[in-house]
Amino acid sequence: EVQLVQSGAEVKKPGESLKISCKGSGYTFPMYGIGWVRQKPGKGLERMGVIYSGDSDTTYSPSFQGQVTISVDKSINTAYLQWTSLKASDTAIYYCARHVGFNISSSRYFDYWGQGTLVTVSS
Amino acid sequence: SYQLTQPPSVSVSPGQTARITCSGDALPKKYAYWYQQKSGQAPVLVIFEDNKRPSGIPERISGSSSGTKATLTITGAQVDDEGDYYCYSTDTSGNLWVFGGGTKLTV
Repeated sequence: EVQLVQSGAEVKKPGESLKISCKGSGYTFPMYGIGWVRQKPGKGLERMGVIYSGDSDTTYSPSFQGQVTISVDKSINTAYLQWTSLKASDTAIYYCARHVGFNISSSRYFDYWGQGTLVTVSS
Repeated sequence: SYQLTQPPSVSVSPGQTARITCSGDALPKKYAYWYQQKSGQAPVLVIFEDNKRPSGIPERISGSSSGTKATLTITGAQVDDEGDYYCYSTDTSGNLWVFGGGTKLTV
């Protein structure tokens, strides 16, 4: 059974750093990417970026380029999303999801999702 | 930037057919994908590559695409189908992937 298990909720102050995680199991981890999706309170889904677990190639959506860093540790089947300086506007639920397809594929999508990590940034 | 446009809400009575549309300029050449998100839960993939159903998704949920519009159809909608539905696709370059704004389905 494919599972993505995310780290727990976080409460941080503006300016602090944060790294959240997403551990995959039940499938061959390097064969798929991991994507991150933001959902602000009461709002829709926003694709942040995808890391291809095999070669760690990473693509970011324009709004998130330079704002976050996506990384992966293949040895423990875990992907990460990190911030160096959080803002109140980063308050959201962050989902990781298994990504099907590679950079050159015509079909690319998220098929399995983690449970979400709530990040609250408040002074 | 690239946008996928969905109606904010769709409402049907139980047993009726619900249709949720997604408009995008690149849809004639790019696949559409659909996600269902129930309140307080993570999204679930319900349609991929315009009209394919992942295992476990009921047959009453189907997808189609024609021209610049993709459509998610729920035949015989049930109260359990309530939630937010998001389309997902890319622009003509294949480099910018976006979600639609979401449609709240009320049954």
